[in-house]
Amino acid sequence: DAGVTQSPTHLIKTRGQQVTLRCSPKSGHDTVSWYQQALGQGPQFIFQYYEEEERQRGNFPDRFSGHQFPNYSSELNVNALLLGDSALYLCASSSPTGGTGELFFGEGSRLTVL
Amino acid sequence: QQPVQSPQAVILREGEDAVINCSSSKALYSVHWYRQKHGEAPVFLMILLKGGEQKGHEKISASFNEKKQQSSLYLTASQLSYSGTYFCGTLVSGYSTLTFGKGTMLLVSP
Repeated sequence: DAGVTQSPTHLIKTRGQQVTLRCSPKSGHDTVSWYQQALGQGPQFIFQYYEEEERQRGNFPDRFSGHQFPNYSSELNVNALLLGDSALYLCASSSPTGGTGELFFGEGSRLTVL
Repeated sequence: QQPVQSPQAVILREGEDAVINCSSSKALYSVHWYRQKHGEAPVFLMILLKGGEQKGHEKISASFNEKKQQSSLYLTASQLSYSGTYFCGTLVSGYSTLTFGKGTMLLVSP
C-alpha cells in the first residue's frame, strides 16, 4: 500500500519565479493538507482540500494556491517566490470519516529560493 | 495560537526516561503527537481527546490535563530508535486543523 508520495523531492528556484509541488495521498484518503516547515520549526498549516474544494486555509498570502483533482491528488502552487519561502513543504492525507484523525505525511519537497 | 513545547532538547542514555510537555493557551479538543526523524516524514504517535480517549500506534504513553490544557508524552526505557524531533499538534475543535509546536529534539545515545 503506497503511502503519501510527493514530487519533486528537491528543487531550486530564484526569487520571483513560480513553483508547483505535487502530492498523491495514501490509498483510500480523500483529504489533503499542505504544511510549510522551516528549518528547526514545526509544520505550519497552509490549506486543506476536500472534494476538490479548499476547505480551510492558514495564515498564508494569496501567492500560495492549490488544487485537488478528482483522483484526490493535489498541487501546491507558489507565485512570486521570496527568499523566505525556502522550506520543506509537507503534504498530509487523511480520511474525514472517523478513525484516529491521524495525518499521514509524505517526505516532503524541499524548496530553496535563491 | 501555537502550542508551547518544553524542553527544546533532551539528551538521554539508552534506557533512561524522558517527559516532553505541550501546553496551550486555548481550550483544546485534542492533542496529537508526532515524531520526525532527520530527513523523514513526521509519523503519528498518539492522539488524546478531551474526555480521556486515547489512540495510538506505539508503546508510548501520554496524558492530557484538560483543566490546564497541557499534555505530556512519556518516553520510558528509551531506545536508540526514539531519537528524533517530537511535535505536539493541537485542535481546538473537531473541525479545526492541527497547529504544531516548534518541537522537542530527543537524542538517545548508547
